[in-house]
Amino acid sequence: GQSLEQPSEVTAVEGAIVQINCTYQTSGFYGLSWYQQHDGGAPTFLSYNALDGLEETGRFSSFLSRSDSYGYLLLQELQMKDSASYFCAVGPSMDSSYKLIFGSGTRLLVRP
Amino acid sequence: DTAVSQTPKYLVTQMGNDKSIKCEQNLGHDTMYWYKQDSKKFLKIMFSYNNKELIINETVPNRFSPKSPDKAHLNLHINSLELGDSAVYFCASSPGTSGRRQYFGPGTRLTVT
Repeated sequence: GQSLEQPSEVTAVEGAIVQINCTYQTSGFYGLSWYQQHDGGAPTFLSYNALDGLEETGRFSSFLSRSDSYGYLLLQELQMKDSASYFCAVGPSMDSSYKLIFGSGTRLLVRP
Repeated sequence: DTAVSQTPKYLVTQMGNDKSIKCEQNLGHDTMYWYKQDSKKFLKIMFSYNNKELIINETVPNRFSPKSPDKAHLNLHINSLELGDSAVYFCASSPGTSGRRQYFGPGTRLTVT
């Protein structure tokens, strides 16, 4: 089967840098995605890594290491509005071009 | 606005009732999804349609039946509602031939009493 692990909660200070890790057990998948979800809101796409290495999009970066079955989301210059839940997701895969398997989410609390 | 929309946003009903949730996307995407997010925020795929064809059908009670009248609409009908069906249901869509980037609707919070 497929499973993902990420910390349940992370706390950081405004202006700081925080890294949210994601380890997974799966095979034959094409990439690792990250989604942000504010309380009461919908998940919104942040990034997708199909290849090993770092992808940067503004203050957010995402990293993937297939050999280590590991990825992370790096948030820099934290702002209060970054307080949200962050989900990693694996997929699509050879079994399904459309299916994403989500982790249980990491709740990020940004303090002043 | 271009988006994925769902109705209703909130749904409160009693056990045993039948209810439907509607979803529409005007993004021109070929693929649509239904997800269930439980109280612990675990997000799980239920169904997916590509151009009106069912392509993902996870282990879901057969009380849940999706219907896609066209590729812009995906509805979810739930029969004989149970307490455990209480959750937030999200509709999503994705372009092209891959589900790697999905656009989610605002969600429907279903409460079964």
